[in-house]
Amino acid sequence: DQQVKQNSPSLSVQEGRISILNCDYTNSMFDYFLWYKKYPAEGPTFLISISSIKDKNEDGRFTVFLNKSAKHLSLHIVPSQPGDSAVYFCAASGVGSNYKLTFGKGTLLTVNP
Amino acid sequence: GAVVSQHPSWVICKSGTSVKIECRSLDFQATTMFWYRQFPKQSLMLMATSNEGSKATYEQGVEKDKFLINHASLTLSTLTVTSAHPEDSSFYICSPSVGGYGYTFGSGTRLTVV
Repeated sequence: DQQVKQNSPSLSVQEGRISILNCDYTNSMFDYFLWYKKYPAEGPTFLISISSIKDKNEDGRFTVFLNKSAKHLSLHIVPSQPGDSAVYFCAASGVGSNYKLTFGKGTLLTVNP
Repeated sequence: GAVVSQHPSWVICKSGTSVKIECRSLDFQATTMFWYRQFPKQSLMLMATSNEGSKATYEQGVEKDKFLINHASLTLSTLTVTSAHPEDSSFYICSPSVGGYGYTFGSGTRLTVV
């Protein structure tokens, strides 16, 4: 029973264009969502987060949108850069899960020069 | 802030031996330690949660006698994989936090059991 789903295993975009990474969740008790970037053989690096009281959070080139009614969030990267090429994990947590993170399977983003 | 040191970064061991992985929070005191593992092309999966000075709580399906977690201090936690088997080969990542808040990760340990 996968509570956090990233249905696209991979995404390829051109440098300078927008990358949109999607994530769906099923547990309505989740109230905090995070995106991580991960290179091979390294731990995840935190990118951006959003609380369920908001529907948008922006940090530089990264923007996360949350649609609670659809239980859907997305990460927008604009403009995309070749250095953004990595696996992106969506993660969720909540009071009900004692702040443990539940991760999606990740989306491999490739930004082509 | 929130600097985490995890080592070794990779280890190869023989089947049946034990391997210890260390995780240190260098500039903060971690009251809670989460240990995750990731198999290829899979999600990061939580293995166990430990609070300093207490026994770890293991997720369903994770053998507590096989994956020994020690969280004896606020800056150090260890995960020992005992009697390792090839199916234990995975990427293990620690995530120390303060009271469950904060989501910083170690750099991970790639374990290969031959």
